Amino acid sequence: EAGVAQSPRYKIIEKRQSVAFWCNPISGHATLYWYQQILGQGPKLLIQFQNNGVVDDSQLPKDRFSAERLKGVDSTLKIQPAKLEDSAVYLCASSLGVRNTDTQYFGPGTRLTVL
Amino acid sequence: GESVGLHLPTLSVQEGDNSIINCAYSNSASDYFIWYKQESGKGPQFIIDIRSNMDKRQGQRVTVLLNKTVKHLSLQIAATQPGDSAVYFCAENSNPGANSKLTFGKGITLSVRP
Repeated sequence: EAGVAQSPRYKIIEKRQSVAFWCNPISGHATLYWYQQILGQGPKLLIQFQNNGVVDDSQLPKDRFSAERLKGVDSTLKIQPAKLEDSAVYLCASSLGVRNTDTQYFGPGTRLTVL
Repeated sequence: GESVGLHLPTLSVQEGDNSIINCAYSNSASDYFIWYKQESGKGPQFIIDIRSNMDKRQGQRVTVLLNKTVKHLSLQIAATQPGDSAVYFCAENSNPGANSKLTFGKGITLSVRP
């Protein structure tokens, strides 16, 4: 079974630039998550989708971050404009459903460096 | 506020010894807990989980213990191997009864000495 795919794996940009990340979840997984992981910390949930609807975006900085999952499969996360403190690994995860016992499977992440 | 934390930032063990990684949580309403392993350059990998109606759950070489009285979670790894070297995170479901919402601790690095 193929895992969660993410691209690019690495991205370096200057502050105030824009950047987008892509995620393709495990086939058949209805729920998709985007996390931000700052160095030395655990992942922090940014946004959760079920199919193409947003379940939870309470921790997404909506002034600069946006995400979409238009067809209920793959998803993009965008930052515009980027700040220095956005430097982190952006992880995508997926699960079959939204129950708390549905295991979340993570992709390899995209490491973003903002200069 | 609600938080999940780990007692020690690093743990060094001898290959073949047992490892115990501890985690404290603060949300007494949390009903589901998970341990993840994260190797360098990779995403977190599910290890084992436990529901709040259980005290202990065993997997292959791993055991998770839950003490709800003191809000403590531990991961035991038997016969630790070099491949176990990684950062370990505990996570709790901080939205019981509704959609899954995991809150992760800061992580502890396990280093296995040959």
